[in-house]
Amino acid sequence: AQSVTQLGSHVSVSEGALVLLRCNYSSSVPPYLFWYVQYPNQGLQLLLKYTTGATLVKGINGFEAEFKKSETSFHLTKPSAHMSDAAEYFCAVSKAQAGTALIFGKGTTLSVSS
Amino acid sequence: DADVTQTPRNRITKTGKRIMLECSQTKGHDRMYWYRQDPGLGLRLIYYSFDVKDINKGEISDGYSVSRQAQAKFSLSLESAIPNQTALYFCATSDATASTDTQYFGPGTRLTVL
Repeated sequence: AQSVTQLGSHVSVSEGALVLLRCNYSSSVPPYLFWYVQYPNQGLQLLLKYTTGATLVKGINGFEAEFKKSETSFHLTKPSAHMSDAAEYFCAVSKAQAGTALIFGKGTTLSVSS
Repeated sequence: DADVTQTPRNRITKTGKRIMLECSQTKGHDRMYWYRQDPGLGLRLIYYSFDVKDINKGEISDGYSVSRQAQAKFSLSLESAIPNQTALYFCATSDATASTDTQYFGPGTRLTVL
């Protein structure tokens, strides 16, 4: 069975500081990994995804994530936080084959202070 | 126009009432999903459909039913609503022909059961 653990339900950073949101997964088969962002009162928007190939994945709004198989991790980073990054972030996993649904983590709320 | 739409966006109802939430998509995707979001629990899969004749239960299907009226429409019903079904409900779609299972989300329906 697959599962996702997001470490830290709330993360607070100052504007301009590094953003690090942690995600660990469990999967018995090669996974596809995703990060979604949810801004207040909105639906989920795909930030980035890892399927195969390069383990460092770049997404929208300056975010990136690195797939580390040995650590079963897919942490999300951004070098310099902006006030507009304040949102809830979800890590998700699916099996590396077509026809499976996503398993989501419980989410991490990012707060950015000036 | 949005690719994935949900109606209604907000609904308040009473215990025991039958409620239908509707989802429509213009993306031409075969696969459609219903999730519910609860604070601190992330998104959990209720039902999913890989085509009009293929409907599957998700993690938390008890108390819910679905109907796939056409490729573009997927409805979620609560036959007899109860207060613990108060949540934010999301519809999502994905493309069966794509190599990855990226899901695209609607804006959500906020349901309150009194």
